[in-house]
Amino acid sequence: GENVEQHPSTLSVQEGDSAVIKCTYSDSASNYFPWYKQELGKGPQLIIDIRSNVGEKKDQRIAVTLNKTAKHFSLHITETQPEDSAVYFCAANDYGQNFVFGPGTRLSVLP
Amino acid sequence: DTGVSQDPRHKITKRGQNVTFRCDPISEHNRLYWYRQTLGQGPEFLTYFQNEAQLEKSRLLSDRFSAERPKGSFSTLEIQRTEQGDSAMYLCASSLRDEQYFGPGTRLTVT
Repeated sequence: GENVEQHPSTLSVQEGDSAVIKCTYSDSASNYFPWYKQELGKGPQLIIDIRSNVGEKKDQRIAVTLNKTAKHFSLHITETQPEDSAVYFCAANDYGQNFVFGPGTRLSVLP
Repeated sequence: DTGVSQDPRHKITKRGQNVTFRCDPISEHNRLYWYRQTLGQGPEFLTYFQNEAQLEKSRLLSDRFSAERPKGSFSTLEIQRTEQGDSAMYLCASSLRDEQYFGPGTRLTVT
């Protein structure tokens, strides 16, 4: 089955700097890769996603890149703000609708 | 607020008791998912419904766990004879296509 690894586990950046979180997956059949933001006491919130037929996708300060050959995808947040502080999860679809999540990255944006 | 609601938000129960959780998805979403999340980990897939049909179940879902989605609307997750290892956040998500929208979760504590 699918296995998703995520790095780093914690990340601290100064406000205004960029943050990059990287994930690798094992199953070449996976074709959908979402990213979620989870704040304390809340459920995960979908922030951006990418499909295997696309190499990059941007939405304002957030972008995701996908390298199918290397089986890795990354989340890029530019001009970070304190409200970006949260735990971020990547995921990949395994067989059917079985989604496998990474272990998470705790991002702290320091004012 | 994603539009997915879960009830109750918190449940404390004694080992050996049965518990039932409810999830109300976004009304037009035909897909519904249950996940379990323990502290410091990403969500783990438990089961998936398309309309009222339960199409996928994780190996994590022991015989003590059962889920239903009568009439393809709300869903219930029941845990029988709870064990301390069942203590976790139980998350529900719904979707129309690939994008999943999570509810706030039900935190279960088994004492």
